[in-house]
Amino acid sequence: NAGVTQTPKFQVLKTGQSMTLQCAQDMNHNSMYWYRQDPGMGLRLIYYSASEGTTDKGEVPNGYNVSRLNKREFSLRLESAAPSQTSVYFCASSEARGAGYEQYFGPGTRLTVT
Amino acid sequence: AQTVTQSQPEMSVQEAETVTLSCTYDTSENNYYLFWYKQPPSRQMILVIRQEAYKQQNATENRFSVNFQKAAKSFSLKISDSQLGDTAMYFCAFMKQIRDAGNMLTFGGGTRLMVKP
Repeated sequence: NAGVTQTPKFQVLKTGQSMTLQCAQDMNHNSMYWYRQDPGMGLRLIYYSASEGTTDKGEVPNGYNVSRLNKREFSLRLESAAPSQTSVYFCASSEARGAGYEQYFGPGTRLTVT
Repeated sequence: AQTVTQSQPEMSVQEAETVTLSCTYDTSENNYYLFWYKQPPSRQMILVIRQEAYKQQNATENRFSVNFQKAAKSFSLKISDSQLGDTAMYFCAFMKQIRDAGNMLTFGGGTRLMVKP
């Protein structure tokens, strides 16, 4: 099992450009998440999808959109990138039912917006 | 909203010694979970240990143990017999349940731990 995979690993954008970060998991998990990690800080939740067909905002959703394409895939889109979105982006997945299930993280995407 | 605070930005410890990382949190929830995640230079987030709030017994995983004080809202991580491979950022995280599906994690700012030979 590959676990949680993310593409690309690195990306540089100019202000105003758009891009989509891809995430896929092969653990048959129902819930998926997108976090961002700014330098020297913990992760903050951008959006999550509790199950296929549903998405909800997290702590810092402004400037982002998401799509739960199917049970395996959850993408994050930046429509008009800004320097404030320079960060490392992590995708995660977990079981949906019950509380306390571990979230499994992907390797992250380092995004720089100039 | 929940907040998680890690008051030690950086710590160091000699190899084979014991170190304790502090974490406090603020919540009005009664049922929740607490986690410690490790992030080595590779950036991969790795679960170290988990504690259920309804359990009084402190969780233990090999060299890692926690001191969970629910009334004080404190959740510290003790690493015994520190190894060079323990060098990493350590994040404390709080989880509440979102309705009946999915779980939201709130992270602290992290503690950078360096283990010295």
